[in-house]
Amino acid sequence: EPEVTQTPSHQVTQMGQEVILRCVPISNHLYFYWYRQILGQKVEFLVSFYNNEISEKSEIFDDQFSVERPDGSNFTLKIRSTKLEDSAMYFCASSSGIRTDTQYFGPGTRLTVL
Amino acid sequence: AQSVTQPDIHITVSEGASLELRCNYSYGATPYLFWYVQSPGQGLQLLLKYFSGDTLVQGIKGFEAEFKRSQSSFNLRKPSVHWSDAAEYFCAVQLSFGAGTTVTVRA
Repeated sequence: EPEVTQTPSHQVTQMGQEVILRCVPISNHLYFYWYRQILGQKVEFLVSFYNNEISEKSEIFDDQFSVERPDGSNFTLKIRSTKLEDSAMYFCASSSGIRTDTQYFGPGTRLTVL
Repeated sequence: AQSVTQPDIHITVSEGASLELRCNYSYGATPYLFWYVQSPGQGLQLLLKYFSGDTLVQGIKGFEAEFKRSQSSFNLRKPSVHWSDAAEYFCAVQLSFGAGTTVTVRA
């Protein structure tokens, strides 16, 4: 069964550094998402992406965040200058349609900012 | 703006007993509702979803949920839990998630 994959599984970085989290969505999916989950807190929507542009974003997704689909398979989340409060689990998801279609989640990348 | 409330932070249930997880939502239009399960160290897995039609929705792993518009609720149920059901459960409306309910199953 196809699945969403994410790399790395764990990323440790220094405050102020840039990080890129990578995701490979399911191949025939068209909609891509990033969520984050701070330890012990709820899952929070960051951004959705369709047709090579952002279709929706939350208040959390400020100028330090960006997303890109650099090729036909990868979907990346870049955090330009990490802060301590960016430490969280970041989940990528993909779906064939928006809102009503099932989103398939990756296993997550744990980001630790020191 | 949409929001989701899961009133129970933690529920402990005996194996074989029934389980009900509560979810209340706030949303202006017809909601798209989801229940996800997250096992330790794993991503989120969709259990079931509701968009329209029959208000009783069947999902995977023996779970079901009932949409009650009058109560703005979408509670998740399972008649007989298994030890493998121990996990965290998230209710979501559109792209907003609740805080989650941790389910512990005792032998």
